[in-house]
Amino acid sequence: AQSVTQLGSHVSVSEGALVLLRCNYSSSVPPYLFWYVQYPNQGLQLLLKYTSAATLVKGINGFEAEFKKSETSFHLTKPSAHMSDAAEYFCAVIRSTGGGNKLTFGTGTQLKVEL
Amino acid sequence: EPEVTQTPSHQVTQMGQEVILRCVPISNHLYFYWYRQILGQKVEFLVSFYNNEISEKSEIFDDQFSVERPDGSNFTLKIRSTKLEDSAMYFCASSVGQGKDTQYFGPGTRLTVL
Repeated sequence: AQSVTQLGSHVSVSEGALVLLRCNYSSSVPPYLFWYVQYPNQGLQLLLKYTSAATLVKGINGFEAEFKKSETSFHLTKPSAHMSDAAEYFCAVIRSTGGGNKLTFGTGTQLKVEL
Repeated sequence: EPEVTQTPSHQVTQMGQEVILRCVPISNHLYFYWYRQILGQKVEFLVSFYNNEISEKSEIFDDQFSVERPDGSNFTLKIRSTKLEDSAMYFCASSVGQGKDTQYFGPGTRLTVL
């Protein structure tokens, strides 16, 4: 079975500061990992994904994440926060072998960006 | 850019009534999904659908739920007899393939059961 844990349900940063949203995964087979963002009253939008190629993955809006097998982590970072980054962020995992197309989500992290 | 659409955006119904939530997936996608998010909780997988049949379903997806692709464009989720605990945001998603292929989500339908 696959699962992800997101540490911190709420994160607050100042505009221009580093954004770090944490995600740890558990998977019985090599995982594929995703970060989605949800803006108010909108659906989930893919930020980036890890599919066993490069361990450092770059996504939209300046976000990136690094897959670290030794730490079972896939933390999301952005060097400089912008007010428009305020949203809820979800980490998700899917199994890479044995078929299956069920995304398992974490509980989400609400990012607040302050002036 | 193609997107997944869902109707209605908000549905209010009485307990015990049937509801049908509608989705139009992206046109060249082959896999279709329903997820739900109860207020304050995580997004949960309900069902995936491929080649006109269910390919995977969760424990939540019991006999009260059904899915259908009635034509070449729509994908529906039916709840036969709604319960209070069915109140949630329901998201439709679609993808070209499975596994690492991105699942594209619609904006959701907020279902309120009174």
